Amino acid sequence: SAVISQKPSRDICQRGTSLTIQCQVDSQVTMMFWYRQQPGQSLTLIATANQGSEATYESGFVIDKFPISRPNLTFSTLTVSNMSPEDSSIYLCSVEVLQGGNYGYTFGSGTRLTVV
Amino acid sequence: QKEVEQNSGPLSVPEGAIASLNCTYSDRVSQSFFWYRQYSGKSPELIMSIYSNGDKEDGRFTAQLNKASQYVSLLIRDSQPSDSATYLCASDSNYQLIWGAGTKLIIKP
Repeated sequence: SAVISQKPSRDICQRGTSLTIQCQVDSQVTMMFWYRQQPGQSLTLIATANQGSEATYESGFVIDKFPISRPNLTFSTLTVSNMSPEDSSIYLCSVEVLQGGNYGYTFGSGTRLTVV
Repeated sequence: QKEVEQNSGPLSVPEGAIASLNCTYSDRVSQSFFWYRQYSGKSPELIMSIYSNGDKEDGRFTAQLNKASQYVSLLIRDSQPSDSATYLCASDSNYQLIWGAGTKLIIKP
């Protein structure tokens, strides 16, 4: 089962600035997923990142606001650009894993972002 | 619109009893279903995945899938206080994961 190292674990940022979140996986994976989770809410998929191609963004999320890099099969970054307080959330990366003979998805430990 | 629905709870269950968590989904083409546990301030952890109609057991956990009724459930036997968490249900259709809002489970000692 893949292990994801995500950083930073938390940050407090000024509005108008940008934050880059990194996820490092201990094995090669084809797709990496970026999610946002508002407090007390479920997960919202931001985009899917494949190595060597442009990320695919979900409705309501755009590349200018959430640029993603995927330079190789073990690493990805998500940047939250020109932040506003509405961007305060937990951001999570996820990859598909094989666990106990069945596939599922595992998550990084999350980045708790507060925009002030 | 594809949806996964769960009762938000909280669901309160005495320690040692069976906790029953339910989930319905709208996309009939969904093939895979997942149950995740999320402790407060932590990321979701995969408990079980299920693909075929019927029951699937793993330790104290049993997942049940009924595709005709578009219904997935998770049973937790011999509930422990450490099972207190939010449980998220998700369906997967061609790598498009649809998440429920989660059910908060409280196990009372």
